[in-house]
Amino acid sequence: GAGVSQTPSNKVTEKGKYVELRCDPISGHTALYWYRQSLGQGPEFLIYFQGTGAADDSGLPNDRFFAVRPEGSVSTLKIQRTERGDSAVYLCASSLLGNEQFFGPGTRLTVL
Amino acid sequence: AQSVSQHNHHVILSEAASLELGCNYSYGGTVNLFWYVQYPGQHLQLLLKYFSGDPLVKGIKGFEAEFIKSKFSFNLRKPSVQWSDTAEYFCAENTGGFKTIFGAGTRLFVKA
Repeated sequence: GAGVSQTPSNKVTEKGKYVELRCDPISGHTALYWYRQSLGQGPEFLIYFQGTGAADDSGLPNDRFFAVRPEGSVSTLKIQRTERGDSAVYLCASSLLGNEQFFGPGTRLTVL
Repeated sequence: AQSVSQHNHHVILSEAASLELGCNYSYGGTVNLFWYVQYPGQHLQLLLKYFSGDPLVKGIKGFEAEFIKSKFSFNLRKPSVQWSDTAEYFCAENTGGFKTIFGAGTRLFVKA
């Protein structure tokens, strides 16, 4: 079966622009996670969804970051007024409740 | 705040050498512990996990890890590494609420 997919695979934008990153989880997985991975670091938790609701968004760095999952499947991570420090690989993962998280390939965001 | 420490950032071994990668977590209560691996050009994937029970956990590809509560440690071991084990290894914890904290990772290079 299909794994977690993320689009785009690469995104280059200019400082101050708005970007949307998309995640398609494994079908039937109720839990969805977003992480950010900077060079030389491990994945940093951003937000976790259980169904349509954000169960824990304590990792979002500031109010420029927002994520939605309106139908409990696909999720979009939205970043407003991008800054150079937002450059990173954004990872999405899904799971069945608290079990193993399956990761997508990530979106590499570069803010010029 | 929860944190996960991985002591070695880079490890170089020859084939057939034994491997031990250190991991220490900070949370003093009940934790779930994981080791993930990222092979070159591939997604993060789960190697093994500890939720409860036998503190010696066996995972895929001959890896194992031992949970030592008194030392807050969850070190990863493999008796004899292969060239194909070259990858980046991440230790992670969560406290049952699905927010998962990752260590910074250890890059392992196995010389053929």
